[in-house]
This record gives sequence, C-alpha cells and structure tokens, in this order.
Amino acid sequence: EVQLVESGGGLVQPGGSLRLSCAVSGFTFSSSSMFWVRQAPGKGLEWVSYISSSSSVIYYADSVKGRFTISRDNAKNSLFLQMNSVRDEDTALYYCARQGIQNPTRYYMDVWGKGTTVTVS
Amino acid sequence: VLTRPPSVSVAPGQTARITCGANNIASETVHWYQQKPGQAPILVVYVNSGRPSGIPERFSGSNSGNTATLTISRVEAGDEADYYCQVWDSSTNHVVFGGGTKLTVL
Repeated sequence: EVQLVESGGGLVQPGGSLRLSCAVSGFTFSSSSMFWVRQAPGKGLEWVSYISSSSSVIYYADSVKGRFTISRDNAKNSLFLQMNSVRDEDTALYYCARQGIQNPTRYYMDVWGKGTTVTVS
Repeated sequence: VLTRPPSVSVAPGQTARITCGANNIASETVHWYQQKPGQAPILVVYVNSGRPSGIPERFSGSNSGNTATLTISRVEAGDEADYYCQVWDSSTNHVVFGGGTKLTVL
C-alpha cells in the first residue's frame, strides 16, 4: 500500500524554524518527484514546493522562496521541508504528495499524505 | 489565475458540472482533486480527462477553449466535497490551484 506520513509540525514562534518530514512506503521513492502543498485553516490548497526524483530540479512558491528549503533522502525514503523565518501566514496543514505516475511528464499529485499542522504564534 | 464558482448545488441523481476558467486553458493540462471535510485531497481526474484507478466512472473531465469542466454524473450524497482544479504554469514553474468549489448535494 502506498503511504505518505508527514511529521514534524507544531507550534513555532514568528521568525523561528521547523523541519517537516514525510516518510513514504509502498512505492519506489527514488523514482518519484514530490511536492509540498499547504492549506491554511478554512482556505484552499496552496502549492509550496517541488523536488525531482534526483533533487536536480527544485521549485518554490514565491511566498516561501528564500525561507523554505525542500530536500529528500532517497536512501531513507524521506522528504523534508526546512522552514525558516516563519510568519503568521505560514500557519497551515502541510501535505506531502507524490507526482502523478499515470503521466509522469505532467505536474500533478496522485497520492497525498494526511498532513502535519504548523501553527505560527 | 483560475476562476471557478465558489459553490455548486445539485440534487441526488442529477449531474454536477464544476468549471475552471482561464484564458485559453485548453492549451494547459488540468487536474482535479476532491477534498472532503477533515480529509486529504484525492485525485479524481488527471490530464484533463484521465481517471485514476478506483475513481468511479461517474467522474469525468473535459477541457476546451477557456473552460475546463469536471462532470459528476448521478451525484450521490458522498460526493459532497470541495473540488479543486490545478494546472502547471510553465512560464513560472509553479503549480496553480483554483480556489475550490464546494459541491452541495441537496
């Protein structure tokens, strides 16, 4: 069974740092590109970052560029999001998601974790 | 920017159509997600009209002109959810989500 399990969320003060993790199982992680997507309370989905399978291609949303860093450890089947200089507006449920394997040339998410909550206050 | 109706209401057994608009969106590939309260999103349509394994045939997608459409036939109470369209902006290398449409089953 394909599983993505996020962890590392919690309460952090403005200007502080937090490191989110996403442990995956049930598929070949090293062959899959991954995303982080967040959802503020009562709001819609907001894309945060993308990383290719080999970490050679990385993209960030403008709202987090320069503050967040995405990375992965293919040997440990894990995805990470280092969040620095956090702001009130970073408060959200953070999901990790796999790039769709049905059409690997397209950027979409076919499997999502349940998310981890980050509260900046 | 992807435009969409904030809400759509439909009676059980009827057809729901949820739209996602942008200038010449037909030149993009559009994907759709369903999110029920308290749950993570799930992919219901990929690349305009593809249906992932496990998604009922009642869910279908189309993309033409300035509008992409998610069509849900024979709507059931369990289809009540927020639905999001999504594209890839190749000019900025950004994922873009629509604001979400709340489907209410009357």
